Amino acid sequence: SQQGEEDPQALSIQEGENATMNCSYKTSINNLQWYRQNSGRGLVHLILIRSNERKKHSGRLRVTLDTSKKSSSLLITASRAADTASYFCATDANDYKLSFGAGTTVTVRA
Amino acid sequence: DVKVTQSSRYLVKRTGEKVFLECVQDMDHENMFWYRQDPGLGLRLIYFSYDVKMKEKGDIPEGYSVSREKKERFSLILESASTNQTSMYLCASSPNRLDTQYFGPGTRLTVL
Repeated sequence: SQQGEEDPQALSIQEGENATMNCSYKTSINNLQWYRQNSGRGLVHLILIRSNERKKHSGRLRVTLDTSKKSSSLLITASRAADTASYFCATDANDYKLSFGAGTTVTVRA
Repeated sequence: DVKVTQSSRYLVKRTGEKVFLECVQDMDHENMFWYRQDPGLGLRLIYFSYDVKMKEKGDIPEGYSVSREKKERFSLILESASTNQTSMYLCASSPNRLDTQYFGPGTRLTVL
């Protein structure tokens, strides 16, 4: 069963704009991860945020975690055409396996 | 850099055939995973292995088996392929179960 669910399912933005996507989950977690998948390829890890952290950033990526609301957000600032991809959140379910959502598809228009 | 390779990018098989998907990682990771990815369903865990010769069922193990004879290699076996097993198959490895997973490029399997 899917522990994490991303919202929106799809997002289209202009190059240079920011893109924000959200992930909601159902049960308590140890950490939450975000991955990117370019069309037809494998997933690439972007960032991991632990349950005792509230914010984390890596380059143009900003991640927040609100454990009281069981939600996380991923912000991509100053988007580029190369950011066009699907983005997935992954959470560790109670039985110590990662559970991935269905993803948010981001299209960055030139 | 961690490298995870999968034996084929694209594969076409007939219903009833036995299919082997191979995955190799070069970072001495203990854990390896097989997922299938279908539109709108995200990634679903088929099997995983936390040590050589050890395996555990994931969420959708029916119709699949796995083999891990060596630490770096994890094979997914479709004993008798069916059309509903047409999918993208992704292999991943990680140093521990909850840590970052490193994915291979995927195998797009079509069963006719």
